[in-house]
Amino acid sequence: DGGITQSPKYLFRKEGQNVTLSCEQNLNHDAMYWYRQDPGQGLRLIYYSQIVNDFQKGDIAEGYSVSREKKESFPLTVTSAQKNPTAFYLCASSIDLGTGSLGYGYTFGSGTRLTVV
Amino acid sequence: KNEVEQSPQNLTAQEGEFITINCSYSVGISALHWLQQHPGGGIVSLFMLSSGKKKHGRLIATINIQEKHSSLHITASHPRDSAVYICAVRLLAGGTSYGKLTFGQGTILTVHP
Repeated sequence: DGGITQSPKYLFRKEGQNVTLSCEQNLNHDAMYWYRQDPGQGLRLIYYSQIVNDFQKGDIAEGYSVSREKKESFPLTVTSAQKNPTAFYLCASSIDLGTGSLGYGYTFGSGTRLTVV
Repeated sequence: KNEVEQSPQNLTAQEGEFITINCSYSVGISALHWLQQHPGGGIVSLFMLSSGKKKHGRLIATINIQEKHSSLHITASHPRDSAVYICAVRLLAGGTSYGKLTFGQGTILTVHP
C-alpha cells in the first residue's frame, strides 16, 4: 500500500545535538512538507519541497535544515540552533503544490515525537 | 487573529449525539480540508471541499465560500469518533504563495458511552 513512513516514532535528543527525522513516501508525489505541532496550536510549516533538489523555507525554518536528493525522501534535521525543539513533527506529501489548481489531498505520516533531554 | 479559527476548542458529547464543529477563515482559498488526528498523532484526511457538501458514512462536511465558513457534522456519534478534528485551508496561489495549507488549532472531541 502507498503511504508515508516517518521514523522513528519517538526520539530523544540531548541539548546541543543535531538529530535527523526520516520521511519516505511511495506515492510518487512531487511535493513534500514538514510541519511542527505544539499543544494548542495549529500545524506550522517548517520546510516544503516541490521537486527533487529544490526546497523552500516555511514559516518557522530557523534551526532546521532539509534535503531532497530523491523524490521519495525528505529528511528533516533539527539542529542545535533550534531553541525549542521538543515537539511533534509531521511529514506530508501531495501530488503537487496545487499552484493554479484546486490542489490534491494531502497524505500525512504518523509523526515523530521529539523530546530534548 | 488567526487566518483559520475553529470552534469549539473542546467538545464533549454523549454517544449518539449529533455533533457540529465549525471553521471560519479570513483569506481567499482554493480548497478546505477536514482532518482527523487520533491520540497516537497520525493524521487522516477526511474531506477536501471547494464548494457545497460532501458525505462519507456518518460524517458530513459543508462549505459556504461567500461566508468563509465550513462545518463538520458527525451523526450518531460514537466513542471511536473521539479525536482532534482539524480544519485547514489551501490558500489561493499567487505571488509568493504556492497555495499552502494553513491550519486551525483543532477541536478536541470526546464522546462518552
